[in-house]
Amino acid sequence: GQQLNQSPQSMFIQEGEDVSMNCTSSSIFNTWLWYKQDPGEGPVLLIALYKAGELTSNGRLTAQFGITRKDSFLNISASIPSDVGIYFCAGRNSNSGYALNFGKGTSLLVTP
Amino acid sequence: DTAVSQTPKYLVTQMGNDKSIKCEQNLGHDTMYWYKQDSKKFLKIMFSYNNKELIINETVPNRFSPKSPDKAHLNLHINSLELGDSAVYFCASSPQAGLTTDTQYFGPGTRLTVL
Repeated sequence: GQQLNQSPQSMFIQEGEDVSMNCTSSSIFNTWLWYKQDPGEGPVLLIALYKAGELTSNGRLTAQFGITRKDSFLNISASIPSDVGIYFCAGRNSNSGYALNFGKGTSLLVTP
Repeated sequence: DTAVSQTPKYLVTQMGNDKSIKCEQNLGHDTMYWYKQDSKKFLKIMFSYNNKELIINETVPNRFSPKSPDKAHLNLHINSLELGDSAVYFCASSPQAGLTTDTQYFGPGTRLTVL
């Protein structure tokens, strides 16, 4: 598979702070997806991006598909304790067929 | 209603045994997948089936054999289990692989521990 570089690896923040994480690749992707995984659960889709430059929001979450098609970021505004979890970026292109290539995840901890 | 379900949730077994994990989706999707998540939380595709036909077969040992009796089910059978097979296995489904807007939905995972 194609490797995605996701950063930061972990974040430890206070409730109310904004969070930003990003994903980069040496390959061009046609689709970027952001997932959240809670302990003991499967990844849950947060935002899907299908077009370069696309900026999409889902409540306090905002994600963008980079213009170069080699990167994407996810922002979380006014974090709350239930935002705790691991956030994964995933990309897909013709080289990966139908499979998603995942980043290594950003572990987010939020203190009240 | 559960969209993508897997059984069992936990599986503890001895080395050398053969075991199966079942997956079902009630979303009406055409495509199903198996992913493996290692101890460092890295998710990697193993297999994908579209309408019961294998379309992705990554480099996994041939001890792993997926079976799709119909498009709502994709089971994973593992022969001669090894210590390194210990991981969390996730099933996923998507409307139709190949669509630009195709999006994958994951099951809750099966934690396999090989002793």
